Amino acid sequence: GQQLNQSPQSMFIQEGEDVSMNCTSSSIFNTWLWYKQDPGEGPVLLIALYKAGELTSNGRLTAQFGITRKDSFLNISASIPSDVGIYFCAGQSNSGYALNFGKGTSLLVTP
Amino acid sequence: GAVVSQHPSRVICKSGTSVKIECRSLDFQATTMFWYRQFPKQSLMLMATSNEGSKATYEQGVEKDKFLINHASLTLSTLTVTSAHPEDSSFYICSVRGRDEKLFFGSGTQLSVL
Repeated sequence: GQQLNQSPQSMFIQEGEDVSMNCTSSSIFNTWLWYKQDPGEGPVLLIALYKAGELTSNGRLTAQFGITRKDSFLNISASIPSDVGIYFCAGQSNSGYALNFGKGTSLLVTP
Repeated sequence: GAVVSQHPSRVICKSGTSVKIECRSLDFQATTMFWYRQFPKQSLMLMATSNEGSKATYEQGVEKDKFLINHASLTLSTLTVTSAHPEDSSFYICSVRGRDEKLFFGSGTQLSVL
């Protein structure tokens, strides 16, 4: 499958700061998803986006499905130490198909 | 959503042995499950799509005779790594598509081949 371009690769921030990461693709996706993965664990779904332009929040997390359907961003507001982990974007071309993943953004938060 | 149980969470084996990994959908009948592999500090790469009652579909470069997939029921898919070698050491993760089309992941299996 196609791999997405996710940036930044890593972020090192202080507790309380806001964080932004994004993914781009050369292909159109019908669904964008954002996952968080802790070491030694499987990814956990954070937010799912189904329509171009859609802006969805989940607590301190906000994600948007780009108008062109080729990009998405994830924002985390007022970061806390437990936000530490690797965040992956994933795109899905059609319902029922497997996901294409970004390379991940490693987030470190210092107290 | 869908609750996905994957077992074992960690396995260490000798080179040449076979290892079976189970993926169960606990609250949803899944006609399709996906198997991913993740090397250290890398992203998840799709290995194969497991279809209940039929042959699995493998991604390019994945040997179907080495990675045997059986999806005999709507709640269970198994991945068997046959004649494992050190280069097969990786984190293997299954996923299930839930009712709302979202994909949910198991907790993964860390395979270490000595």
